[in-house]
Amino acid sequence: GDSVTQMEGPVTLSEEAFLTINCTYTATGYPSLFWYVQYPGEGLQLLLKATKADDKGSNKGFEATYRKETTSFHLEKGSVQVSDSAVYFCALSHNAGNNRKLIWGLGTSLAVNP
Amino acid sequence: SAVISQKPSRDICQRGTSLTIQCQVDSQVTMMFWYRQQPGQSLTLIATANQGSEATYESGFVIDKFPISRPNLTFSTLTVSNMSPEDSSIYLCSVIRDIGGGYTFGSGTRLTVV
Repeated sequence: GDSVTQMEGPVTLSEEAFLTINCTYTATGYPSLFWYVQYPGEGLQLLLKATKADDKGSNKGFEATYRKETTSFHLEKGSVQVSDSAVYFCALSHNAGNNRKLIWGLGTSLAVNP
Repeated sequence: SAVISQKPSRDICQRGTSLTIQCQVDSQVTMMFWYRQQPGQSLTLIATANQGSEATYESGFVIDKFPISRPNLTFSTLTVSNMSPEDSSIYLCSVIRDIGGGYTFGSGTRLTVV
């Protein structure tokens, strides 16, 4: 079945460091790929998404490119801030059918120190 | 994009009792999803609720324990029945945000069973 694997945390960085959180997936067909973020004490928010191969999703300085050949959707940010400290979830879903549920990675906790 | 109002935001319940969680969406949606997020873990899909039909439960979840109602296209409830401390978790509802994916989440219900 479909699955999402993301790098284990916690990840601890200094402010202005470069961030990469790896995400790979296994799925049939051409799923949509997502990154969600959960800030401390808050609900889940969609950070970015990509719906087809080679698409790049971007938001708030974060980027991720849908790589079909490597079945990856790695999250990157060039210069992290303390306010980026959160848990990041990679997920996929299929765009059609009666069961368009999200398949989730386990989440990666990011702590950014000043 | 849809806005979801979920309540209660938190509750502390006695063992053996039941709690009903409500989700109200500000627009009509076909599919609603109910998730559980246990402390420090990723999200687990409990069931998919379609209006006019019985909910579809994921492996490990049964209707007797988690009955769901979906009386119309803007509202759903999840009941956690005969609670035990193992049911302590955050429960979230979610709807598909737009064509091509992207899901909006309610703010969650933090349940503690004592």
